[in-house]
Amino acid sequence: QQKVQQSPESLTVSEGAMASLNCTFSDGTSNNFRWYRQHSAKGLEVLVSIFSDGEKEEGRFTAHLNRANLHVSLHIREPQPSDSAVYLCAVSMWGRTNAYKVIFGKGTHLHVLP
Amino acid sequence: EAGVTQSPRYAVLQEGQAVSFWCDPISGHDTLYWYQQPRDQGPQLLVYFRDEAVIDNSQLPSDRFSAVRPKGTNSTLKIQSAKQGDTATYLCASSFGGGEVFFGKGTRLTVV
Repeated sequence: QQKVQQSPESLTVSEGAMASLNCTFSDGTSNNFRWYRQHSAKGLEVLVSIFSDGEKEEGRFTAHLNRANLHVSLHIREPQPSDSAVYLCAVSMWGRTNAYKVIFGKGTHLHVLP
Repeated sequence: EAGVTQSPRYAVLQEGQAVSFWCDPISGHDTLYWYQQPRDQGPQLLVYFRDEAVIDNSQLPSDRFSAVRPKGTNSTLKIQSAKQGDTATYLCASSFGGGEVFFGKGTRLTVV
C-alpha cells in the first residue's frame, strides 16, 4: 500500500526567503508526481508536475525528484504572503487493471510572514 | 472545456440521515476518483473507477458508503446514516489514462 508522507507539517518563512517542502513515498514504481496548493476552503491548484529524476521549474516553483531515495521536494523562490496555504504532494502509479491511482500526503501548512 | 462539476456544494445533516453527492467528470475522462478531505488534512482516496468498473474501494467504509458510475460517465457517492466523523469535504476528480488529474470544487459536508 503506497504511503506518502510530507514534512514539515507546518513551515513559517519570511517574505522573500526560500521555502522548501519534502515528500517521501514508499512505492518505487510510482511514476508521476505533482504538487498542489490549496488555499483555505478553496479547490486544488496544480503547481508543478514531474515525471523523471531531476528538476522541473514552473515560475517560482521548482520540484526535485530522486526516485532512488523515494523523495520529491518543492522549493518556492521569493515566497509572498499570498503563498500562505496548504501544499499537497500527490504520487501516482498504475494500479490494478491499468487504472491510474493517485495518493496524497497530509500536506504542509506554509505561512509566509510579510 | 468544462471542468469537473460537483453538487451540491454544501450539505448539513443530522446524524443518521442519508446524503448523495453527484459528480460529472470531464467528457472523455475514463478514470474517476472520490476523495474525502477532513479539515486540515490531505485528500484520502475512497474509491476510484475506470469506466464503469470499480478499481479499488478498499478505503470506502462499506457499511455506510457506496459509490457507483453505471455508464462510465457521471458518478454518485452516497452515505447512509451519516456520523459526525464523516464531516469533511468530498472531492471528485477525473483523468484520462495517466494524464493530469482535474478536481472539482468539492462538497463540504457537516454532520451535526
